[in-house]
Amino acid sequence: SQQGEEDPQALSIQEGENATMNCSYKTSINNLQWYRQNSGRGLVHLILIRSNEREKHSGRLRVTLDTSKKSSSLLITASRAADTASYFCATPVGNAGNMLTFGGGTRLMVKP
Amino acid sequence: DSGVTQTPKHLITATGQRVTLRCSPRSGDLSVYWYQQSLDQGLQFLIQYYNGEERAKGNILERFSAQQFPDLHSELNLSSLELGDSALYFCASSVAGQNTGELFFGEGSRLTVL
Repeated sequence: SQQGEEDPQALSIQEGENATMNCSYKTSINNLQWYRQNSGRGLVHLILIRSNEREKHSGRLRVTLDTSKKSSSLLITASRAADTASYFCATPVGNAGNMLTFGGGTRLMVKP
Repeated sequence: DSGVTQTPKHLITATGQRVTLRCSPRSGDLSVYWYQQSLDQGLQFLIQYYNGEERAKGNILERFSAQQFPDLHSELNLSSLELGDSALYFCASSVAGQNTGELFFGEGSRLTVL
């Protein structure tokens, strides 16, 4: 079963617009991570937010975390065609090391 | 380049066969993780090894097995292959064994079972 669920499943925007993706999870976590995957390629880590953080920035990325609602959002500002990819949230499950579970992902298409 | 190397990149085989996927983690990383990605199941955690020992087990079938060798590379063995085993298999590595940081993913091995 998947711990995180992303919303929307797919998003299509124009270059320059902002893209917002949401993630909901089920159990308590100590961190939440966002990854990006270009079609058929490996996943690349974007950002990690800890449970005691509410917001974090990295370049054009802004991540928020609301532990009371068990949800997170990823905002990509001033999107570019190169941002076209799938975006996944991931949360560690249990005490079993780095057993990250991934949501179903949001497929983002940025049209030039 | 994540520093994680997976071979082969592509593999086509027949039902009932056995294949071995290989992963070399980033230099210095002690943990290796295997994930399966398919269209219907998404990204599924299979198994984790830390410094040669099994650390966590996920949705790994009994037909599948893995190991991590003293040089820290890992192999995932898939046997009695079925059509439904067709998927992208990813290896990832991290320094630690605990859920404290990011995973570094390889480019994956695409398995097609005909």
